[in-house]
Amino acid sequence: AQTVTQSQPEMSVQEAETVTLSCTYDTSESNYYLFWYKQPPSRQMILVIRQEAYKQQNATENRFSVNFQKAAKSFSLKISDSQLGDTAMYFCAWAMFFSTPFSGGYNKLIFGAGTRLAVHP
Amino acid sequence: GAVVSQHPSWVICKSGTSVKIECRSLDFQATTMFWYRQFPKQSLMLMATSNEGSKATYEQGVEKDKFLINHASLTLSTLTVTSAHPEDSSFYICSASLGNRGTQYFGPGTRLLVL
Repeated sequence: AQTVTQSQPEMSVQEAETVTLSCTYDTSESNYYLFWYKQPPSRQMILVIRQEAYKQQNATENRFSVNFQKAAKSFSLKISDSQLGDTAMYFCAWAMFFSTPFSGGYNKLIFGAGTRLAVHP
Repeated sequence: GAVVSQHPSWVICKSGTSVKIECRSLDFQATTMFWYRQFPKQSLMLMATSNEGSKATYEQGVEKDKFLINHASLTLSTLTVTSAHPEDSSFYICSASLGNRGTQYFGPGTRLLVL
């Protein structure tokens, strides 16, 4: 069964410091996508970063970067220069592809349990 | 770009009534829309997947007669909680996917409280 594990229920970091959130997943697929989503207190889910498994280069988005280790099935998120606005719940997600006859298919997200990150001044 | 709206943002209703929640993709046509439920301090639980013009695919354990999903167009999906009971109180989130292997973009969620 496909699973996503986030082993850190809570993390805290000082403003301007760097923090890494861990995520591991289990799948026998070779072509898939991985995501990190952020859910601040407003509860709006916001896409942070996306990684395609066939790409060896780690994805980056400004202060956010990932360390994607395909063989180890690991997908950690590094937040550099942490800001107070980064305080949120962070969810790692693995996308499983389903083929459908009419629409061509879709990605179904399997979420981890989440890591609550608190950024302190 | 890739904005998804949900309406209403919160709703309070009496037990036994039905509640409809709308999910719209505002600036793109979504091939697939998804409905999730989230309990406090927990992760998102997928309820169903819907494609425009076809029946929704429900996850195991989700009652299709309880949670009716209609995907009328490429920009609109609705979730109707029929004969709502207090245990249906939750936070419901929709998402829309652009393209077959596209990223899911989420709506702001709907808080439902059934009295």
